[in-house]
Amino acid sequence: GAVVSQHPSWVICKSGTSVKIECRSLDFQATTMFWYRQFPKQSLMLMATSNEGSKATYEQGVEKDKFLINHASLTLSTLTVTSAHPEDSSFYICSARPVVDTQYFGPGTRLTVL
Amino acid sequence: KQEVTQIPAALSVPEGENLVLNCSFTDSAIYNLQWFRQDPGKGLTSLLLIQSSQREQTSGRLNASLDKSSGRSTLYIAASQPGDSATYLCAVRGSNDYKLSFGAGTTVTVRA
Repeated sequence: GAVVSQHPSWVICKSGTSVKIECRSLDFQATTMFWYRQFPKQSLMLMATSNEGSKATYEQGVEKDKFLINHASLTLSTLTVTSAHPEDSSFYICSARPVVDTQYFGPGTRLTVL
Repeated sequence: KQEVTQIPAALSVPEGENLVLNCSFTDSAIYNLQWFRQDPGKGLTSLLLIQSSQREQTSGRLNASLDKSSGRSTLYIAASQPGDSATYLCAVRGSNDYKLSFGAGTTVTVRA
C-alpha cells in the first residue's frame, strides 16, 4: 500500500516549451501533496505545498507563474514547468500525505531541457 | 530556517563493516526525523522514522538514534552488504508544519 506514481519518469524538451508532470496517489487519498526539486549531489528542496481544491503555497524564491501546480482531486496533483529553460533541468519528486502523519514519495521525474 | 547537514558526503567501505552516518540540524524544535534511502535516479524509500520523544528506532540491521537537544541523529548499518550501496538522506520535520528539511545525503559504496 501507500504507492505514489509519477508520470513521465523522464522527459526531454526544447527550450521554451511547457512540460506537465503528474503525481498520483494510487491507493490512498492525499489531502496534501508536496513538490521537490533535486539537483545532482544536492538535497531535495521543497518547491511548493499543494492542498486539494486550493491554491498551492510556494516556497520563497520559487516562481509560481513558472511552476504551475494544480491539485484537482485527492489523488492527483500536476506540476507544469512553463517556458522551460536549461536551468530548469532537474529531478522533480512529489510526495503525498494522507490523513495519517507521514509522506510517501514518488519515484521522481528527470527533466532535461535542451 | 532549519539547516540539515550530513557528514560525510561520501563513504566507501569493504563488505561486512559497520556504517555510521551522521546528521545534524540547527533547530531542535522538531516533530520527527526520518532517514531515507535513494538509489541513483530513483525516488526515496523511507527507512526509519524517529518521533521527537524517542531516542532510537531499529529495523533489522538498521538503527537510528536521535539526540534532539544537541541536534544530532546517527544511522548505524550493521554488517554492510553491496546492496546497501546508495545515498542516505536525513530529513527533519518541524514542529509547526508538515514540511521536511533534507540534508544533502551521504553516498555509500560497499565494496564486495
